[in-house]
This record gives sequence, C-alpha cells and structure tokens, in this order.
Amino acid sequence: EAGVAQSPRYKIIEKRQSVAFWCNPISGHATLYWYQQILGQGPKLLIQFQNNGVVDDSQLPKDRFSAERLKGVDSTLKIQPAKLEDSAVYLCASSRATGGKNIQYFGAGTRLSVL
Amino acid sequence: AQRVTQPEKLLSVFKGAPVELKCNYSYSGSPELFWYVQYSRQRLQLLLRHISRESIKGFTADLNKGETSFHLKKPFAQEEDSAMYYCALGFTGTASKLTFGTGTRLQVTL
Repeated sequence: EAGVAQSPRYKIIEKRQSVAFWCNPISGHATLYWYQQILGQGPKLLIQFQNNGVVDDSQLPKDRFSAERLKGVDSTLKIQPAKLEDSAVYLCASSRATGGKNIQYFGAGTRLSVL
Repeated sequence: AQRVTQPEKLLSVFKGAPVELKCNYSYSGSPELFWYVQYSRQRLQLLLRHISRESIKGFTADLNKGETSFHLKKPFAQEEDSAMYYCALGFTGTASKLTFGTGTRLQVTL
C-alpha cells in the first residue's frame, strides 16, 4: 500500500510570509496527525483529526497556525505569518483509528526554513 | 504531565556489542510505550511496542512500571542498526497522540 504522502519536501521562506503544507494519508486511515519536529527534539503533536473533526489541537499555536481536513482525507497545515522559530520538519502521520494501540505511519516530512 | 526522557543523545558501540537505549516516562495512567526508528534518509517508522511483547530485528523492550522505564535492548549490535531511535508514550482512550522523547542516535562501528 502507498505510504503517507507529503509535499513539498523543502520550503524556504522569509519571516512574516505564509506557507502551506499538504498531506495525503494512507487510504482508509481515519486519523491524521500533524507533528512539528525542531532540530534536536522529538516530534511534537500539533493537531489530530478523526475523519474531518479535530480531536486534539491543544498544542497548536492558533494565532498563526491553522489546519483543515475538509473531506476527511487530505489535510493542509498553514502558517501565517511565519516566525524564525517555526523552522522545523513538519511530519504528517495517519492511523487506522484512534486509541493508543493504533500504529501511526509517518510521511517523509516537509523541512521548513524561515529566514 | 506526560513526559518521555531519553538521557543519551548519542550512543556509540562496536559491532557485536550489546546495546541498551534508555527510556523513562512519567504518566499517571496506564501507558502504551513504543519505540520508533529513523534510518538515514528514511521516514520515521515503528520498531516495536510493548503491548506486542515481540522481538523485531533482534530488539526487545520490556515495560517496567515500577521503574517507569522501557529500555530498548539488543544483545549483538549490527552496522545496520545505526539510526535515530525515539521512545514514545501513547495513551489509552479515544485520543491516541504520542509524546516523543528527544531521541538517541545509535552509532555502530566496526
């Protein structure tokens, strides 16, 4: 089966610009996650969707970050305006359902550099 | 608050030597523990989870609730084990977010 697809792979922008990332989960996976991984740290969950509803967005900086999964499949994560500290790898993951036992499958990530 | 601690940023061992990657967690509920691995130029992938109690690529990990640890072990390291290893804490219930440690880079040398 095809894995989690993410684009673009790399993005360089200047601070205060906006940027969007796209994720296509594994077919049939109801749950989708966006993680932020800053250099030298482990991934940190930003937002979790179950189908097209938000399950957890407690760590999403809502003043500048937004995410949507309108049809319960693809998802986009947007940053507007970007700050220097947003430089990180943004990982998308999907799992068949919720629950701690469900395996999460990760995409290759989008590496964002904010100058 | 949930927390995962991996005390070593880098662990360097010789081929054939035993490996132990340390992971400690803090969580008041019933934890689900995972080890994820990222090989060079590959995506993050699940290595093993405590609930399966299985050995993957010669690695095992036992959940010790008394010591709140989930150390990853392998008796004889191989070159292909060189990678970044992340311990992750999941939760039972409807939400399934993972809290990751900062990772340990395992370097296996000849």
